[in-house]
Amino acid sequence: DIQMTQSPASLSASPEEIVTITCQASQDIGNWLAWYQQKPGKSPQLLIYSATSLADGIPSRFSGSRSGTQYSLKISRLQVEDTGIYYCLQRYSNPYTFGAGTKLELK
Amino acid sequence: EVQLVESGGGLVQPGASLKLSCVASGFTFSDYWMSWVRQTPGKTMEWIGDIKYDGSYTNYAPSLKNRFTISRDNAKSTLYLQMSNVRSEDTATYYCTLNNYGWFAYWGQGTLVTVSS
Repeated sequence: DIQMTQSPASLSASPEEIVTITCQASQDIGNWLAWYQQKPGKSPQLLIYSATSLADGIPSRFSGSRSGTQYSLKISRLQVEDTGIYYCLQRYSNPYTFGAGTKLELK
Repeated sequence: EVQLVESGGGLVQPGASLKLSCVASGFTFSDYWMSWVRQTPGKTMEWIGDIKYDGSYTNYAPSLKNRFTISRDNAKSTLYLQMSNVRSEDTATYYCTLNNYGWFAYWGQGTLVTVSS
């Protein structure tokens, strides 16, 4: 199985700051990576797919990048409503696996 | 507007069977692959499986394929997850998802399954 090692596990930041969350894949997954946001009490929402493509309706403050088998989600100009848990997902090979999540809290 | 509404969760005893449903609206259900994903109380996410738009192909996580079965009724715009011989570790919120080019693009609100005696 492909392991997705996500870091940090938790993060506290202030509004308007920039934060970065990373996922390290245990093997090559190409661009078969997505990022999801789960706000408290809600279902996950697709933010980024194919490593760098912004999903419909998602603000451009969110961006994804890739360097080899390391993937990053950058959130610029943090806002209070960005509070939640962020997950990466690999859809390269079965079983498709998620990262453990990053809990983002706004100060 | 895409809507996915899961139902069928609840308290179930170990070893029992349970069938979850997901009613879809706001899109042409028969055009899309669908999936089930679950989230444990500790917030761990796990993919369960996918089903092709016409129901002719399914793909499961190896750890679950012997106990879980995904099916669909396109005439009713409904996706199903049949769970058998449930265990305490199956306790989770179960989500159905609409897949767009392989990605879980839309999620339902989830249905909670609690396995306990």
